Amino acid sequence: EAEVAQSPRYKITEKSQAVAFWCDPISGHATLYWYRQILGQGPELLVQFQDESVVDDSQLPKDRFSAERLKGVDSTLKIQPAELGDSAMYLCASSLVAGGLADEQFFGPGTRLTVL
Amino acid sequence: QKEVEQDPGPLSVPEGAIVSLNCTYSNSAFQYFMWYRQYSRKGPELLMYTYSSGNKEDGRFTAQVDKSSKYISLFIRDSQPSDSATYLCAMSGATDKLIFGTGTRLQVFP
Repeated sequence: EAEVAQSPRYKITEKSQAVAFWCDPISGHATLYWYRQILGQGPELLVQFQDESVVDDSQLPKDRFSAERLKGVDSTLKIQPAELGDSAMYLCASSLVAGGLADEQFFGPGTRLTVL
Repeated sequence: QKEVEQDPGPLSVPEGAIVSLNCTYSNSAFQYFMWYRQYSRKGPELLMYTYSSGNKEDGRFTAQVDKSSKYISLFIRDSQPSDSATYLCAMSGATDKLIFGTGTRLQVFP
């Protein structure tokens, strides 16, 4: 069964360090999402890609966060420098199409980030 | 006020009980309503997907949407210990940006 892959699964870092997360969506899925889920809350969208283009990054803290999907397949989310408040689960999701209708999003297992 | 409100629980029920999970929302533009299940240390997985108002049934699960009251529900019949998880409601409007509730933690004990 096709799944969204994410790595690493867990990351512990000290504040002011740089961290990077990787996501490989389900093959053929054009749309890729990065979400942040703080403990006890629901996921919040950080950035959405359609192929290699950013569709929505309105909630991405651009002073420290960056995301790319260079060839329209896998994606990297980077935080530099990390802050204590960045401790959360970072979830990647993908969907087949995004054409103005809600399409099922398939989530990866997430990367749990702890900033000390 | 958050766009989507969900009681965080935890909700603890005996095996075999009927479970009712609910969300309220404020944005009348929402048209698509979903319920996700999230096990500990895993990503959410889609359980139910409903467009506009009405009911939808899938096995032991029933989703209800009342757009006039801006209220959605998920019912689980004959609950099992394997149903123990966090249940997230999510909704979207004409675009596919999902807005999630905070999740309700459910514990079904044998």
